[in-house]
Amino acid sequence: SAVISQKPSRDICQRGTSLTIQCQVDSQVTMMFWYRQQPGQSLTLIATANQGSEATYESGFVIDKFPISRPNLTFSTLTVSNMSPEDSSIYLCSVALTGGDTQYFGPGTRLTVL
Amino acid sequence: KNEVEQSPQNLTAQEGEFITINCSYSVGISALHWLQQHPGGGIVSLFMLSSGKKKHGRLIATINIQEKHSSLHITASHPRDSAVYICAVRRGGTSYGKLTFGQGTILTVHP
Repeated sequence: SAVISQKPSRDICQRGTSLTIQCQVDSQVTMMFWYRQQPGQSLTLIATANQGSEATYESGFVIDKFPISRPNLTFSTLTVSNMSPEDSSIYLCSVALTGGDTQYFGPGTRLTVL
Repeated sequence: KNEVEQSPQNLTAQEGEFITINCSYSVGISALHWLQQHPGGGIVSLFMLSSGKKKHGRLIATINIQEKHSSLHITASHPRDSAVYICAVRRGGTSYGKLTFGQGTILTVHP
């Protein structure tokens, strides 16, 4: 199994600023994933974060807006840059262990942009 | 039309009732996940299915690959089961974690 923690758990930010969300896993994992859940919507994959290489972004998401770091096998960060109210969402970090039988999700970061 | 459709969108039950949540999908998949999301936002993985049926406590999940349909059943429901239940599929040939999600079913169980 995997236990995932995220920081911060919630934040209220001003338009135009940036927020970095941290994701820590208690075991080494190859792939980490960042999802967004806008209010009333389901989850959408933002990007896959691989250790030692550039993140792979899904259609509609770009590195300039959502830069990701993956310095080692247990940690990743997602930055939401130049925020606008449309970025108000829950951001979730997730991992799938080898074999992919179970997907583990972090507790989420609830972001409100004013 | 969404690739993953859940029904119902909202479900209210009395404690003790048997509950069924349905998930239909329109793409070829290699796995289907049932997830539970509590009001705080955190998500817990309940099941991963590629065929057949799985049971864990009061929860049962089934999948029919030919009909592209899965169901999540909760027996003897309890107020603590109140949450959003999300169906998610992994398309065949895609890497782990690249999931397509349904809209979720909001379940409220009253005492």
